[in-house]
Amino acid sequence: AQKVTQAQTEISVVEKEDVTLDCVYETRDTTYYLFWYKQPPSGELVFLIRRNSFDEQNEISGRYSWNFQKSTSSFNFTITASQVVDSAVYFCALSENSNSGYALNFGKGTSLLVTP
Amino acid sequence: DADVTQTPRNRITKTGKRIMLECSQTKGHDRMYWYRQDPGLGLRLIYYSFDVKDINKGEISDGYSVSRQAQAKFSLSLESAIPNQTALYFCATSSGGFVTDTQYFGPGTRLTVL
Repeated sequence: AQKVTQAQTEISVVEKEDVTLDCVYETRDTTYYLFWYKQPPSGELVFLIRRNSFDEQNEISGRYSWNFQKSTSSFNFTITASQVVDSAVYFCALSENSNSGYALNFGKGTSLLVTP
Repeated sequence: DADVTQTPRNRITKTGKRIMLECSQTKGHDRMYWYRQDPGLGLRLIYYSFDVKDINKGEISDGYSVSRQAQAKFSLSLESAIPNQTALYFCATSSGGFVTDTQYFGPGTRLTVL
């Protein structure tokens, strides 16, 4: 079963619009970690944020912000005033401490296109 | 210099050939991972290793083998490549301990099996 669901396959916005990328996860662990990675057209995976299950504080980093809500098992990512350089595929990932290897379970990704 | 490197970056091979993908890291991390990415499927775990003597299968290990030659090196082999192994392969590393640390990824190897 898919443990991380990114329901939005593709999103297209015009530059300067705000956009939210949704991530819903499923776990029975009380200790787990959530991540967001960015994959620009060049293909590499860029780490954006790591959040543990005991820290529900929202986080803001420049134009990026993350909303973690355990009650709805969601870890959504918002880009404010989007720019063309934000065009990429964004992956949400879950790591459960009970999972051997502390490996990441990735969602299928959301492809974001920001047009001028 | 990049902390996690992968060689080759691109490779085209034929069905039945043996191929090795290599990963090296200078981060001093204990844990290393191999994932593959297929369009629309995200990344899936092939193998992982906690140290030179500790190697474990991931979700999709069939058709693959690995070797941890040193703390800094983790190789992925396809003993007899088949077309459905065409994918983008990523190596990742993270530090040890009993919690999940951030995984840092290499630039990826694009493999095409004809």
